[in-house]
Amino acid sequence: SQQGEEDPQALSIQEGENATMNCSYKTSINNLQWYRQNSGRGLVHLILIRSNEREKHSGRLRVTLDTSKKSSSLLITASRAADTASYFCATDGSNSGYALNFGKGTSLLVTP
Amino acid sequence: NAGVTQTPKFQVLKTGQSMTLQCAQDMNHNSMYWYRQDPGMGLRLIYYSASEGTTDKGEVPNGYNVSRLNKREFSLRLESAAPSQTSVYFCASSVTGGTGELFFGEGSRLTVL
Repeated sequence: SQQGEEDPQALSIQEGENATMNCSYKTSINNLQWYRQNSGRGLVHLILIRSNEREKHSGRLRVTLDTSKKSSSLLITASRAADTASYFCATDGSNSGYALNFGKGTSLLVTP
Repeated sequence: NAGVTQTPKFQVLKTGQSMTLQCAQDMNHNSMYWYRQDPGMGLRLIYYSASEGTTDKGEVPNGYNVSRLNKREFSLRLESAAPSQTSVYFCASSVTGGTGELFFGEGSRLTVL
């Protein structure tokens, strides 16, 4: 079953603005990952945050994790048109067996 | 370095026909996965293989079979295709299962008429 749920489902911003996407999950996790999917392509791993970490940075990406609220956020700073894609969170919660559970994704549109 | 390669990229089937989706990875990964992606449903796990010689059901295994042919290859077979199996199928691999980063193929778009 899908554990992560992203919010909002869709987000439209202008170049240069920041984009924030949220992910909520239901059971305890070891880590949470974020992936990006460009239209018609496969998913690409962006960042992994472990359950004992609260914040992680990678270039223009900032991920936070609040295990008490079972939620995570992905912040993309100074967005570019090339950031237009769908973004998914994935968890390895206790009900996932051996594989990751993916949310339904946030569709981000960055307009010039 | 190709990563994860899926074939075919596109396929149209008639109800009741069978077909096999092929997946190969060249990263020496132990674990491989098949997901399907449907609009509004995100990715759902069909089957996975934690290591060579093992396979296990995921969330939506009905109507599918898999074979881990060797460490590199993991195939997905539809024995009798149904319109409900119209979807985009993704193969992925990871060094080990559970918590590791997944590497995805480009997807196979299947339409069942």
